[in-house]
Amino acid sequence: GAVVSQHPSWVICKSGTSVKIECRSLDFQATTMFWYRQFPKQSLMLMATSNEGSKATYEQGVEKDKFLINHASLTLSTLTVTSAHPEDSSFYICSAPTSGRAYEQYFGPGTRLTVT
Amino acid sequence: DAKTTQPPSMDCAEGRAANLPCNHSTISGNEYVYWYRQIHSQGPQYIIHGLKNNETNEMASLIITEDRKSSTLILPHATLRDTAVYYCIVRVANYGQNFVFGPGTRLSVLP
Repeated sequence: GAVVSQHPSWVICKSGTSVKIECRSLDFQATTMFWYRQFPKQSLMLMATSNEGSKATYEQGVEKDKFLINHASLTLSTLTVTSAHPEDSSFYICSAPTSGRAYEQYFGPGTRLTVT
Repeated sequence: DAKTTQPPSMDCAEGRAANLPCNHSTISGNEYVYWYRQIHSQGPQYIIHGLKNNETNEMASLIITEDRKSSTLILPHATLRDTAVYYCIVRVANYGQNFVFGPGTRLSVLP
């Protein structure tokens, strides 16, 4: 099946620094990718929709200046957490839709961010 | 998108079939039923999807009732590695639309 990768799988950073997370579709192209966030014992929550060649759209309550999204190519979207704070510590997951009839999506393995 | 209702947790003995129910009584005619699972500290894994007919693949079977108001995911021979949270999601087949995750069913496969 389709494969989506993320890098890094985990990262620890100091408060105030920025962290970039990459999401790649390895064997298919995706003009749209999605970024989710998952806090412990909670379900996935959509943060933003990444669109190749245009600006990302953010969910209500998600700061676009803090979570910068760049969809650089048909196989790569990046999420940069700027000026990270401990409350940004979370599990970040991306997904990309396939071209199957039902447009099922494949999810990356996730990135565990810990801000100290 | 239609909402789904799943039991919060289930247990299953290793080697037995795991039957995970999902109610989606307000499903629309053009909405698919998708199943994903999330093993601890991993991203969700696609399992199967269906519209009207029952479906089977190498991972599981999906049984959709004739009125489409409910469905059951069947793992025919559960193993310890099937322990995960299982999500039933209904949505239209739209390339640019995200998935909305509910709390799902936490399946524990017991030795």
